[in-house]
Amino acid sequence: EIVMTQSPATLSVSPGERATLSCRASQSVSNNLAWYQQKPGQGPRLLIYGASTRATGIPARFSGSGSGTEFTLTISSLQSEDFAVYYCQQYNNWPPLTFGGGTKVEIK
Amino acid sequence: EVQLVESGGGLVQPGGSLRLSCAASGYTFSNYNMNWVRQAPGKGLEWISFVSSSSSTVYYADSVKGRFTVSRDNAKNSLYLQMNSLRDEDTAVYYCARAVTPDYWGQGTLVTVSS
Repeated sequence: EIVMTQSPATLSVSPGERATLSCRASQSVSNNLAWYQQKPGQGPRLLIYGASTRATGIPARFSGSGSGTEFTLTISSLQSEDFAVYYCQQYNNWPPLTFGGGTKVEIK
Repeated sequence: EVQLVESGGGLVQPGGSLRLSCAASGYTFSNYNMNWVRQAPGKGLEWISFVSSSSSTVYYADSVKGRFTVSRDNAKNSLYLQMNSLRDEDTAVYYCARAVTPDYWGQGTLVTVSS
């Protein structure tokens, strides 16, 4: 099973600032990596797939990069609606599909 | 508009059973693989089951294998999860999600296993 590790667990950022979230895989997942955003009481929302392709309707301030075992989600200028929990997920070697433990982006 | 609506959650005693449903609308359900993903209170996401579009392939997480059964009825645009021998650690919000990189998720249904 591929283990996904996200860091940091919590990121405190001021509105308008840049946020950089990391995700590491225990073995290579190529570029088969997705990022999700989850707000309280809601199901997750797909942001990025293929490590760097934005899903339909996702603003350009969200960008993904990386391949192999190291990945990054960058939010270029945080808006109020971006404060949430973010998860990475690998789909290169499954089952099982595996998720990272999440990074909570909170207001500084 | 794509919609996924889960139902069937509730309070059940350890060892009991529940059947969850997921009603899909706004797209051709029979064209898409489906997954169940759960989230324990205050915890992260855990994938638990996959069913292919034609039901020919199913997968389960080790944590539920032998206890949970996934199925679908393409004529009814519905996905199901039969959960037997429930344990305290199965307490979670259960989401249905479309595709392997889920692009649509339901709002979830809460399953509480407690005596």
